[in-house]
Amino acid sequence: KQEVTQIPAALSVPEGENLVLNCSFTDSAIYNLQWFRQDPGKGLTSLLLIQSSQREQTSGRLNASLDKSSGRSTLYIAASQPGDSATYLCAGSGGSYIPTFGRGTSLIVHP
Amino acid sequence: EPEVTQTPSHQVTQMGQEVILRCVPISNHLYFYWYRQILGQKVEFLVSFYNNEISEKSEIFDDQFSVERPDGSNFTLKIRSTKLEDSAMYFCASSAGLNEQFFGPGTRLTVL
Repeated sequence: KQEVTQIPAALSVPEGENLVLNCSFTDSAIYNLQWFRQDPGKGLTSLLLIQSSQREQTSGRLNASLDKSSGRSTLYIAASQPGDSATYLCAGSGGSYIPTFGRGTSLIVHP
Repeated sequence: EPEVTQTPSHQVTQMGQEVILRCVPISNHLYFYWYRQILGQKVEFLVSFYNNEISEKSEIFDDQFSVERPDGSNFTLKIRSTKLEDSAMYFCASSAGLNEQFFGPGTRLTVL
């Protein structure tokens, strides 16, 4: 059974910093890995999806990487802004194509 | 841009009552899902639906739960007799294939 862990649980940084959020998973037979953003009391917004055959995906200031052999994915946020403050979730899908979610990293970017 | 919509945004019900949560998936998507998130907990998978039948379900999705696609656009989750522990945020999602899932804004269910 896939287990997904996210470190750190919370992060507070000043505006402008580059930062890395970590996600680890136990089953390397992963089909894809998806990063989401969740604002308080709101739904999940898909940020990036990495297929198992890919190493990374980029969208604007976001870059996500996937290393199946080590069971890790990272989300890199460049030049962070206060509007980036949210909880970031990663979810890995295995053979059943159903994602298993981590608990998330709560990010605060202060001006 | 197409999006998944859910109604109502907040539902308050008494324990033992039936509730129906509604979702309109993205129109050309074929796979539909329900998830729940208890306050402060992880997002948990409940059920997936494809070709008018359940394709996967979790241990949470017991006989109290059912899903239906009553017409070409709606996808519903019914909880027959709600319990206090059913209080959670319920998310609907859809996907075109077995890939990127798009989530709705959620329905907050409060069982009193």
